[in-house]
Amino acid sequence: GQNIDQPTEMTATEGAIVQINCTYQTSGFNGLFWYQQHAGEAPTFLSYNVLDGLEEKGRFSSFLSRSKGYSYLLLKELQMKDSASYLCAVADSNYQLIWGAGTKLIIKP
Amino acid sequence: GAVVSQHPSWVICKSGTSVKIECRSLDFQATTMFWYRQFPKQSLMLMATSNEGSKATYEQGVEKDKFLINHASLTLSTLTVTSAHPEDSSFYICSASRGTATDYTFGSGTRLTVV
Repeated sequence: GQNIDQPTEMTATEGAIVQINCTYQTSGFNGLFWYQQHAGEAPTFLSYNVLDGLEEKGRFSSFLSRSKGYSYLLLKELQMKDSASYLCAVADSNYQLIWGAGTKLIIKP
Repeated sequence: GAVVSQHPSWVICKSGTSVKIECRSLDFQATTMFWYRQFPKQSLMLMATSNEGSKATYEQGVEKDKFLINHASLTLSTLTVTSAHPEDSSFYICSASRGTATDYTFGSGTRLTVV
């Protein structure tokens, strides 16, 4: 079956760095997405990785290792507004998104 | 950038009535529309996938006669929850794709409460 695993909840301090991991097993792979979702709102796109390596975009970076079925989202210089759920999703062989359950990130002052 | 307008943002309806949710792609043609449901503290659950002009493909366990999807044009898709019950109360989100691998634009979501 298809499976996406990510931690349920993480806590970090304002100004610090946090890494959210995601492992996946899917039928085919056409890229991995990270989305941010604030409570009561729709997800917003953060990043897309289809090749191995690190993609950096401002305070956020995303890494992918296809051989390990592994990705992480790295958030630097954490701000209170970064408190949200972070969803990992993989596009399978049919380009259908398979979603992880999301990681709730709590930022403390 | 690509924008998907979803309406209504929230709706409260009585048990047994029907509710229609609209998603419009404002500045692009959505060849494929995905409809999701999200219960509190859970991730997105794909309900169905629809392509313009054809019948929607429903995920296992989703009743196609209860959740009617119409994708009549490349810019409009609707989800109608028929004979709604309290257990249908959820956050419904659409996502539109132009058909490329990286292109999924989400609507703002609809909070449905059935009383």
